[in-house]
Amino acid sequence: DADVTQTPRNRITKTGKRIMLECSQTKGHDRMYWYRQDPGLGLRLIYYSFDVKDINKGEISDGYSVSRQAQAKFSLSLESAIPNQTALYFCATSDLESPYEQYFGPGTRLTVT
Amino acid sequence: AQSVTQPDIHITVSEGASLELRCNYSYGATPYLFWYVQSPGQGLQLLLKYFSGDTLVQGIKGFEAEFKRSQSSFNLRKPSVHWSDAAEYFCAVGGGSNDYKLSFGAGTTVTVRA
Repeated sequence: DADVTQTPRNRITKTGKRIMLECSQTKGHDRMYWYRQDPGLGLRLIYYSFDVKDINKGEISDGYSVSRQAQAKFSLSLESAIPNQTALYFCATSDLESPYEQYFGPGTRLTVT
Repeated sequence: AQSVTQPDIHITVSEGASLELRCNYSYGATPYLFWYVQSPGQGLQLLLKYFSGDTLVQGIKGFEAEFKRSQSSFNLRKPSVHWSDAAEYFCAVGGGSNDYKLSFGAGTTVTVRA
């Protein structure tokens, strides 16, 4: 079984809808991250969390919110989706001893029409 | 602020030929450097990393990378490419701050022709 899972893998939604992307991990890592990937821009950090009570904004957090429900679960919400949020979204984890070595989920392809 | 530049958007290489992907970084101190690979439809997988010590680092799948401080570069190489190496490759930099964030380059897509 995959160590970092993301649901759904693909989602099409309409402008203005609220949507939640979920991430679960079985690696026992404390740190979790949400990135979005756009062609030609690489990965950009949306939010990151060092533990359940520690949530931090990344470089492109506007229009997004997150919830760390447990050590193993980190959800990303788009409160009112807009077309320029169409992207590939990745969740990643890392542990205390190797904080820069991040392990990625398979990604969620989100399309906002 | 840290940043990464991957000058090549797309590279095509013949199977069995050598491959070199360029990465230049901007960082004020000694960086932590990484190469990740993303195969089609997959998440990112760590190929190799550099923290300190020997500037030539070996990774998985036969890849290696060399850290050159004077050139602010961390180029990825493979002596003989296999068709399965067709993927997108990302260079990333981190280090020094307490937030443990990585900055990624825009990526280089590698196509392998028979």
